[in-house]
Amino acid sequence: EAQVTQNPRYLITVTGKKLTVTCSQNMNHEYMSWYRQDPGLGLRQIYYSMNVEVTDKGDVPEGYKVSRKEKRNFPLILESPSPNQTSLYFCASSLEGPNEKLFFGSGTQLSVL
Amino acid sequence: EDKVVQSPLSLVVHEGDTVTLNCSYEVTNFRSLLWYKQEKKAPTFLFMLTSSGIEKKSGRLSSILDKKELSSILNITATQTGDSAIYLCARGTGSNYKLTFGKGTLLTVNP
Repeated sequence: EAQVTQNPRYLITVTGKKLTVTCSQNMNHEYMSWYRQDPGLGLRQIYYSMNVEVTDKGDVPEGYKVSRKEKRNFPLILESPSPNQTSLYFCASSLEGPNEKLFFGSGTQLSVL
Repeated sequence: EDKVVQSPLSLVVHEGDTVTLNCSYEVTNFRSLLWYKQEKKAPTFLFMLTSSGIEKKSGRLSSILDKKELSSILNITATQTGDSAIYLCARGTGSNYKLTFGKGTLLTVNP
């Protein structure tokens, strides 16, 4: 089944403890992207990747890192999480870019205490 | 500025009503306008619009883009409780790979 898989679904952590949210897609998509969703603010793009080893900042990249070493995987890294990074995170992918149908993962609800 | 504005922010209707959701965007190198539906979990794709005046339709849902007015509408006719969701619009550009979402419209359809 074609899908975008994110893990974990829920994560509670403490300030400063490094964490990684994984994202994997099985559709051979070139484009992958991370979003965070907060009440009243909608979906905001964190980082995106156009291909292996090619990434760029979205609108809210501060405090996040990404890497794209393989086409299928696009992990989101929080080196030193802070409470203002408590949010619902979505990974998404598409064949070639954002100007076409995006497939979203199921989301990761992150709480930073 | 890179902004997408949706209205209304929330809407409550009765089953059978017709609703119109609005999305306006500030354009720099506009390429596409996309609509997504978000129920309890991840957003799912509804429509992508690139050309002005051409209606896209899927069942009771339809959408159209007006490039002159820098806006798009999403219509839902004969609403059902299953249409209750957040409806998101997003704007893509031709100059980079960013995608900017609006804050969404929360639609509640009561029986």
